[in-house]
Amino acid sequence: EDKVVQSPLSLVVHEGDTVTLNCSYEVTNFRSLLWYKQEKKAPTFLFMLTSSGIEKKSGRLSSILDKKELFSILNITATQTGDSAVYLCAVEVNLLAVEVMRGAQKLVFGQGTRLTINP
Amino acid sequence: NAGVTQTPKFRVLKTGQSMTLLCAQDMNHEYMYWYRQDPGMGLRLIHYSVGEGTTAKGEVPDGYNVSRLKKQNFLLGLESAAPSQTSVYFCASRSPSLAALAKNIQYFGAGTRLSVL
Repeated sequence: EDKVVQSPLSLVVHEGDTVTLNCSYEVTNFRSLLWYKQEKKAPTFLFMLTSSGIEKKSGRLSSILDKKELFSILNITATQTGDSAVYLCAVEVNLLAVEVMRGAQKLVFGQGTRLTINP
Repeated sequence: NAGVTQTPKFRVLKTGQSMTLLCAQDMNHEYMYWYRQDPGMGLRLIHYSVGEGTTAKGEVPDGYNVSRLKKQNFLLGLESAAPSQTSVYFCASRSPSLAALAKNIQYFGAGTRLSVL
């Protein structure tokens, strides 16, 4: 059974701190790993990672994937109160062997990390 | 360009009642998905569709049915609602294009909060 586990489940820090969120996975037919930020509504896309060791960066956020050890981390530096959210890690897996060429996949989500940034 | 639109946004049902959640997307995406999100469990796939007229079961399909009669719409039905179906439901869609991996991103609707009493 495909599984994605995030840690910690909850984190409270002060504004300006740096945080690291963890995501480990055990899946068959790995395609990519995605990070989403979820505030009050729908998850919004942050990063998609497909190759090991290549850091993706967007402003104060960065992420990296280790396909050998089956994990990813999301770093947020100089945190701000607007970074408070649930951060979701999801692994994209191919759904059916017969449909691989059509690119059909599903996302297997972790439980999420609730990050709270206090002023 | 509205993206993915879910209706309704909120609903309260009594046990045994039926309802249909509608998901509509205007991005001409082939693939559409229904997820449910419960506290501490992330999002779990209920059903999905890889094209008009095709549907398949996800991880937690029991108690739900779906239909994809038109490419832009994906309906999720609850025939006889149960309290265990109290959840937030998200619809998502994506393009099947393999040409650019960066575009293979699921776009989510704003969610439907359903309570079954």
